[in-house]
Amino acid sequence: QVQLQESGPGLVKSSETLSLTCDVSGYSISSGYYWGWIRQPPGKGLEWIGSNSHSGNTYDNPSLKSRVTISLDTSKNQVSLKLRSVTAADTAVYYCARLRGSGSWPFDYWGQGTLVAVSS
Amino acid sequence: DIQMTQSPSSLSASVGDRVSITCRASQSISTYLNWYQHKPGKAPKLLIHSTGRLQSGVPSRFSGSGSGTEFTLTITHLQPEDFATYYCQQSYSPLITFGQGTRLEIK
Repeated sequence: QVQLQESGPGLVKSSETLSLTCDVSGYSISSGYYWGWIRQPPGKGLEWIGSNSHSGNTYDNPSLKSRVTISLDTSKNQVSLKLRSVTAADTAVYYCARLRGSGSWPFDYWGQGTLVAVSS
Repeated sequence: DIQMTQSPSSLSASVGDRVSITCRASQSISTYLNWYQHKPGKAPKLLIHSTGRLQSGVPSRFSGSGSGTEFTLTITHLQPEDFATYYCQQSYSPLITFGQGTRLEIK
């Protein structure tokens, strides 16, 4: 059974870098698929942040203006997210998820999410 | 970017009812359309992929249809556990987008 678990600081200061890690178990991320991050600001809907594959193909949401880095550490079976120059608008619950690499490419496994607040 | 628009934004229904949620794409996405159920404090759950294919373990009262730019999620015989927020999502473009969500509430 594939399981994902996000971790990282729950509070980040404005203008600094938000860093989160997603531990993956039950599947080796080096075996394939894309891995993504999605967030949900308080009272709002889901927003895709970006995706990365084991082969290094990356995509990120243009609205985040190139502040995003998503990387895979195959030795630790982890997916990481860095979001630079954060503001209060980046306060959200952050989810990592596996992007099934076939058919309609759905996010088929999700972590429970971690809340990150940005303080001034 | 491909914009995804859901309607309605919220919906009230009773246990046992049949409800439908519509999702429209700003351009054709073929059948690259997925539906998720999201409850507060929980991870979103994949319900339907490829427009109409039920994810393993999802009850058959959930169904999806459509193609191109218009898609529908239908839930028949609503159960208490179905009251949640539902999102559509396209993966036709590698720049993934979600609909804004439809909140399904108990009447």
